[in-house]
Amino acid sequence: AQSVTQLGSHVSVSEGALVLLRCNYSSSVPPYLFWYVQYPNQGLQLLLKYTSAATLVKGINGFEAEFKKSETSFHLTKPSAHMSDAAEYFCAVTTANAGGTSYGKLTFGQGTILTVHP
Amino acid sequence: ETGVTQSPTHLIKTRGQQVTLRCSSQSGHNTVSWYQQALGQGPQFIFQYYREEENGRGNFPPRFSGLQFPNYSSELNVNALELDDSALYLCASNFQDTQYFGPGTRLTVL
Repeated sequence: AQSVTQLGSHVSVSEGALVLLRCNYSSSVPPYLFWYVQYPNQGLQLLLKYTSAATLVKGINGFEAEFKKSETSFHLTKPSAHMSDAAEYFCAVTTANAGGTSYGKLTFGQGTILTVHP
Repeated sequence: ETGVTQSPTHLIKTRGQQVTLRCSSQSGHNTVSWYQQALGQGPQFIFQYYREEENGRGNFPPRFSGLQFPNYSSELNVNALELDDSALYLCASNFQDTQYFGPGTRLTVL
């Protein structure tokens, strides 16, 4: 079984400050890890993904995440927050099937709402 | 733009009714997954279809059923609606080990 824990249901930062959203996962096999962003009343937009290549992954809108196997973590960071970053962020995990491609069942964390103050 | 579309955008039903939600993905995306996202929660996996056959199911009762068609469209059907079925329903198509989501259908059950 796999699971995801997002530490902090709400994170508040000032514009220009560092954004750090925490994600820890549990998986008995090598995971695929994803961060998605959701704006109000919209679907999920992919920010970035880790699929066993480079451990530091760069995504859209200046976000990046580092896969740390020893800590079972995949924290999301952005050096300087913008007002437009205010949204809900979801970390998700899946595992590869026997054929080596993603099974596709994503297990999501509970989400972290990011608020950006002027 | 993910190329995944869903209809309708919003839907209101009463308890006990049946509902059909629709999803359309890009040509060549053979796998489609459906998720339920209750208010304030992360999405929960309902089931997945691959080449028109169910290929995995989450912890949802049989009154949740689906279909996938050769033209890369799919349906989620829910019978005997309950109040707790009120949620955002998300469809996702799989391409290169990544799921791309549609905008969702907001279902309200009264």
